Amino acid sequence: AQSVAQPEDQVNVAEGNPLTVKCTYSVSGNPYLFWYVQYPNRGLQFLLKYITGDNLVKGSYGFEAEFNKSQTSFHLKKPSALVSDSALYFCAVRVSGSARQLTFGSGTQLTVLP
Amino acid sequence: DGGITQSPKYLFRKEGQNVTLSCEQNLNHDAMYWYRQDPGQGLRLIYYSQIVNDFQKGDIAEGYSVSREKKESFPLTVTSAQKNPTAFYLCASSTSRFEDTQYFGPGTRLTVL
Repeated sequence: AQSVAQPEDQVNVAEGNPLTVKCTYSVSGNPYLFWYVQYPNRGLQFLLKYITGDNLVKGSYGFEAEFNKSQTSFHLKKPSALVSDSALYFCAVRVSGSARQLTFGSGTQLTVLP
Repeated sequence: DGGITQSPKYLFRKEGQNVTLSCEQNLNHDAMYWYRQDPGQGLRLIYYSQIVNDFQKGDIAEGYSVSREKKESFPLTVTSAQKNPTAFYLCASSTSRFEDTQYFGPGTRLTVL
């Protein structure tokens, strides 16, 4: 079975500081990893994904994530946080060759303080 | 939210009533999905369809039904058999390739009175 863990329900960071939202996964096989962001009462917006190749993935709005196979992690990062980055962030995994669909983490609420 | 529309945005129903949530996409995607979102639980898959006239149960299909008569449309019916239907429902679509991204609609918030 595949699973995703987001160990922090809430992350607070000051505007201008770097931010990290953590994600670890457990799969049998090669993972496809995704990050999404959700603003209140809205659908999920795609940020970035890792399929294969370079472990550092760059995405929308200045976000990036690093795939670490040995630590089974895919943490989301941004060098300088903005107040407008405050939202709910979801990590998701899908296993290559599997018929199963995306499995989501429980989400991390990011608050950027002015 | 791209080319995926969901209607209505807010929906209220009385206990014992069936209700149908609409999902339409103009992205020419083969695959469509329905998720349920509850606070603190992330998204859980209800049903998905990889091609017209075919669909599969997800992790929490009990009390729900779907149809896929057209490529563009994937309506979800919440039946009276669903014991706790109050939630935020999200529709998504993607191409049929495993690595492709799922794109989400704006969601429908269903409240049972």
